[in-house]
Amino acid sequence: QVQLEESGPGLMQPSETLSLTCTVSGFSLTSNGVGWVRQPLGKGLVWMGTIWAGGSTNYNSAVQSRLSISRDTSKSQVFLKMNSLQPEDTGTYYCARHEYYLFDYWGQGVMVTVSS
Amino acid sequence: ETTVTQSPASLSMAVGEKVSISCKTSTDIDDDMNWYQQKSGEAPKLLISEGNTLRPGVPSRFSSSGYGTDFVFTINNVLLGDEGIYYCQQSDNVPFTFGSGTKLEIK
Repeated sequence: QVQLEESGPGLMQPSETLSLTCTVSGFSLTSNGVGWVRQPLGKGLVWMGTIWAGGSTNYNSAVQSRLSISRDTSKSQVFLKMNSLQPEDTGTYYCARHEYYLFDYWGQGVMVTVSS
Repeated sequence: ETTVTQSPASLSMAVGEKVSISCKTSTDIDDDMNWYQQKSGEAPKLLISEGNTLRPGVPSRFSSSGYGTDFVFTINNVLLGDEGIYYCQQSDNVPFTFGSGTKLEIK
């Protein structure tokens, strides 16, 4: 049974670095990519980046300069780090499994608020 | 970057009616369009994948069509439980882009 679960701090201050973890089960990170998708409150879905089964990454150019995605395959974990947080980074962050270039399984999401 | 334009932004339908949602892309993406349902407070759920393929367990009331730049998502005989927001997503090229969503209300 494929499962993904995001974890991380709920409240961040502007200029801080966000660190989120996606723990997966039911599949291997060397078989499927995992992407991160953000949803600002009351708004739509925005793909942020992906780490592929082979370990390479792709990022959305809108956040590329601030974003890093990595993984620990032995722990079945994918990590998101994003620096220089601003209030507009507030939203729900989802990790999702890739089936090729689509997202077939999603975590429940973690809400992140950036506020002073 | 492929822009995905989704319409309408919202729909209010009665039980049993037919729902149609459109997504148009700024580039030709063959049939690399996917459709998701997001119910209130939940994560998105994949309903239909590339090639207009219904995912396992998804009722046949849901369907899609289209190729190239014009795509349509359809729900026949809409039910109360179909309320939510529906998104399209192109999987032809990076960056992966989503439509802006269609909020479906059942009267």
